Amino acid sequence: AQSVTQLDSQVPVFEEAPVELRCNYSSSVSVYLFWYVQYPNQGLQLLLKYLSGSTLVKGINGFEAEFNKSQTSFHLRKPSVHISDTAEYFCAALLNTGNQFYFGTGTSLTVIP
Amino acid sequence: DAMVIQNPRYQVTQFGKPVTLSCSQTLNHNVMYWYQQKSSQAPKLLFHYYDKDFNNEADTPDNFQSRRPNTSFCFLDIRSPGLGDAAMYLCATSRDQWETQYFGPGTRLLVL
Repeated sequence: AQSVTQLDSQVPVFEEAPVELRCNYSSSVSVYLFWYVQYPNQGLQLLLKYLSGSTLVKGINGFEAEFNKSQTSFHLRKPSVHISDTAEYFCAALLNTGNQFYFGTGTSLTVIP
Repeated sequence: DAMVIQNPRYQVTQFGKPVTLSCSQTLNHNVMYWYQQKSSQAPKLLFHYYDKDFNNEADTPDNFQSRRPNTSFCFLDIRSPGLGDAAMYLCATSRDQWETQYFGPGTRLLVL
C-alpha cells in the first residue's frame, strides 16, 4: 500500500532559526512528491514539487526540499523561518500510475517570536 | 489571474437540509476534484471528474454527489447533511491526470 508519513505533528521553532519538516513515503512505483502549505481557514497552496531531475527542489517563500530515493524521504527545509511561516504543512505523493494524491497527516509549524 | 474559486467561503446549513457547494476554475484544466478535510486531518478525496467522466472513491458516502455541467464548474451536493459532515471542503484541479493539483481556498461547512 502507498502511504505518506509525516513524523512530526507539531514543530515549534524560534523566529530566524532553521527548520526541517520530515516526510517519508512508501511506494513500489515511481512517485511525484509535493509539499503544500495551508494557512488557517484557507486552501492548500503549492510550495514545491519533485517530478524528476535534480533532487534538490526550491520552492516559494525560501523553502526547499530534497528527494532521497534510498531513504524514501522528501524533507522540507528553510534556513531561517519567519512568523508568517506559521501554518500547516502537508506532504503528498502522486503515483505515476494514477491521479490520486496520498497526503500525509500534516505538520503544524509554529514560529515563536 | 487564473485560479480556482470556491463559493461560498463559509456555509451554514441545518441537519438534513440539502446544500450545494460550488467550484469554478479559469485554468481550463481537465480534471476537477473534491476533498473533505476535517479538523487537524489531511484532505480526503471524495471524487473527481476527468472531463465528463465521474470517478467516485469507494468509501465516499452516497449522501455526497457531484455535478460538472461544463469544464469550468463543478458542484458538490450533500443531500442530507449530518453533524459529521461539518468540515472544510476543498476543490482542486489538474491539467491532466498525473499532474500537479491546484487548490481553491475551500468552503467551511457548518451543520446545525
